[in-house]
Amino acid sequence: DTGVTQSPTHLIKTRGQQVTLRCSPISGHKSVSWYQQVLGQGPQFIFQYYEKEERGRGNFPDRFSARQFPNYSSELNVNALLLGDSALYLCASSFRTGQIYEQYFGPGTRLTVT
Amino acid sequence: KQEVTQIPAALSVPEGENLVLNCSFTDSAIYNLQWFRQDPGKGLTSLLLIQSSQREQTSGRLNASLDKSSGRSTLYIAASQPGDSATYLCAVKPPGGSEKLVFGKGTKLTVNP
Repeated sequence: DTGVTQSPTHLIKTRGQQVTLRCSPISGHKSVSWYQQVLGQGPQFIFQYYEKEERGRGNFPDRFSARQFPNYSSELNVNALLLGDSALYLCASSFRTGQIYEQYFGPGTRLTVT
Repeated sequence: KQEVTQIPAALSVPEGENLVLNCSFTDSAIYNLQWFRQDPGKGLTSLLLIQSSQREQTSGRLNASLDKSSGRSTLYIAASQPGDSATYLCAVKPPGGSEKLVFGKGTKLTVNP
């Protein structure tokens, strides 16, 4: 089985630009979550989508937005990039079994803002 | 607000040693707790998931325990190997409709040959 895939692997952007990150969940998983991990910190929750509907939003500014497509893949958009947006962006997909929500993470996209 | 703390921040041990990583959380109302491994610059690999009704889970040389009432979990690694060197992250799922996980900052483990 293919795991969670993310693209691109790395990218470099300039302050003020916009960026789109992409994620494909594990086949059969309908939920996708996005996290931001700054160097030396644990991942911070940004969004969760389930069947194209937003189910959760973390404490991030409106410059961050996301959407989920009918095939359950997802995009994270960040506008007006700041230096502080430099981080590893992680996508996770999950399949609910009863009360269990075990999340499976992709390799991440390393974003550098200069 | 749920907060997760991991102690120690870094740990260096000789190969073959048994070790314990600690995780504490401030709100005992959790659905489950997951332990992850992260290699430098990489994504997260799920190691063990403990449901709130469980006390422990085991996988190979790994054993994770959960004491929800005291807000603590431990990850026990037996007979450590250099390949175990990585950052270990603990995360809890709070109650609520979303699948949000709250993470600690991790423990960086180095196992020396």
